[in-house]
Amino acid sequence: DTGVSQNPRHKITKRGQNVTFRCDPISEHNRLYWYRQTLGQGPEFLTYFQNEAQLEKSRLLSDRFSAERPKGSFSTLEIQRTEQGDSAMYLCASSYANEQFFGPGTRLTVL
Amino acid sequence: AQKVTQAQTEISVVEKEDVTLDCVYETRDTTYYLFWYKQPPSGELVFLIRRNSFDEQNEISGRYSWNFQKSTSSFNFTITASQVVDSAVYFCALSAFDSNYQLIWGAGTKLIIKP
Repeated sequence: DTGVSQNPRHKITKRGQNVTFRCDPISEHNRLYWYRQTLGQGPEFLTYFQNEAQLEKSRLLSDRFSAERPKGSFSTLEIQRTEQGDSAMYLCASSYANEQFFGPGTRLTVL
Repeated sequence: AQKVTQAQTEISVVEKEDVTLDCVYETRDTTYYLFWYKQPPSGELVFLIRRNSFDEQNEISGRYSWNFQKSTSSFNFTITASQVVDSAVYFCALSAFDSNYQLIWGAGTKLIIKP
């Protein structure tokens, strides 16, 4: 399977803990996006990489959130000191032109 | 500002009926792309179509068709002879050059096809 993969698929954590998600894009794709989707809503943009450079961050991305894409390959999204409001589906997408291909998402539940 | 509006929160039809999902967008960019994605209960987003702002031709793919009208800033999606497997949430999205092609999403329309 050469699609976008995300790990873990599900994460349950206690409030205040740190969590890290990983996204492996389609290999030839230079752009990588992170989105967050809460129940009953459309996805919301979080951040965007072109190769290893993080070019844009949404105001939704508080200081507790950090994303990296070392060497322009996989990407990680870390949330520090999680809050219940962070509970959501975190989606990763990669693209080469203007068509974004999505991974299956990581569902985070903060207790 | 860029915005996508899907006014229909939920639509319920009986199998084999035709159904149209509405999408209205706002952007000041002259170069932009419009998308439809399907999100079945499993949660994964499935790409359906991309349309660029310079191509107003309508498109048909099997039972699916899309009507792009720049004059009304609309990009509507019609499913002909609906099937139960079409039940899902459908999202319309917009991406534009000035915003690094990040996707701006509508709120989604939940489509329920009853047998």
